Amino acid sequence: GAGVSQSPRYKVAKRGQDVALRCDPISGHVSLFWYQQALGQGPEFLTYFQNEAQLDKSGLPSDRFFAERPEGSVSTLKIQRTQQEDSAVYLCASSSRGGPIFGEGSRLTVL
Amino acid sequence: QKEVEQNSGPLSVPEGAIASLNCTYSDRVSQSFFWYRQYSGKSPELIMSIYSNGDKEDGRFTAQLNKASQYVSLLIRDSQPSDSATYLCAVGVYNQGGKLIFGQGTELSVKP
Repeated sequence: GAGVSQSPRYKVAKRGQDVALRCDPISGHVSLFWYQQALGQGPEFLTYFQNEAQLDKSGLPSDRFFAERPEGSVSTLKIQRTQQEDSAVYLCASSSRGGPIFGEGSRLTVL
Repeated sequence: QKEVEQNSGPLSVPEGAIASLNCTYSDRVSQSFFWYRQYSGKSPELIMSIYSNGDKEDGRFTAQLNKASQYVSLLIRDSQPSDSATYLCAVGVYNQGGKLIFGQGTELSVKP
């Protein structure tokens, strides 16, 4: 596609539920990133893929967070046993050369 | 000390004026620098990238980089009300792949 596509755009989960957020990057982009953005803050790095290899997951806040990109294209960010502090916008970005291009984000609200 | 620092603002300028946005960073091995614009409720949009010392111009935007002083700035000439947004500075560090560290953003308000 022309841009980075994320789904769902909005997700409301009850505390303790598992959620999965999908990212479809720009075709041909090797690098894929996940960021978390809280209200009024800049995006915080979560994890980075180059093709199917997860090269950096240092930003994942806990072992409840898991990301995969099995075929080097679409990526999924999974959050297990969601907590209220997980409420945020989750941004996916992809790049070939140059700065990452962001999708519209998935807004997660945990009740 | 935060790795990338920006004044949160708001920075208010009149229409037609030059808006100057500043960013400092702490890691001396930083190699790539980006400015993103983020409208309220939207995702960040890449507007400028700069990799070497000096100025880079693109339309009404000029990015300035000074690695010795560890700062990067964005100038917006002939500011328009449609430029009102939060501007995010992002820094890429050598040997950390494409990982970017973002500042908290500066809110810009352009008054008609």
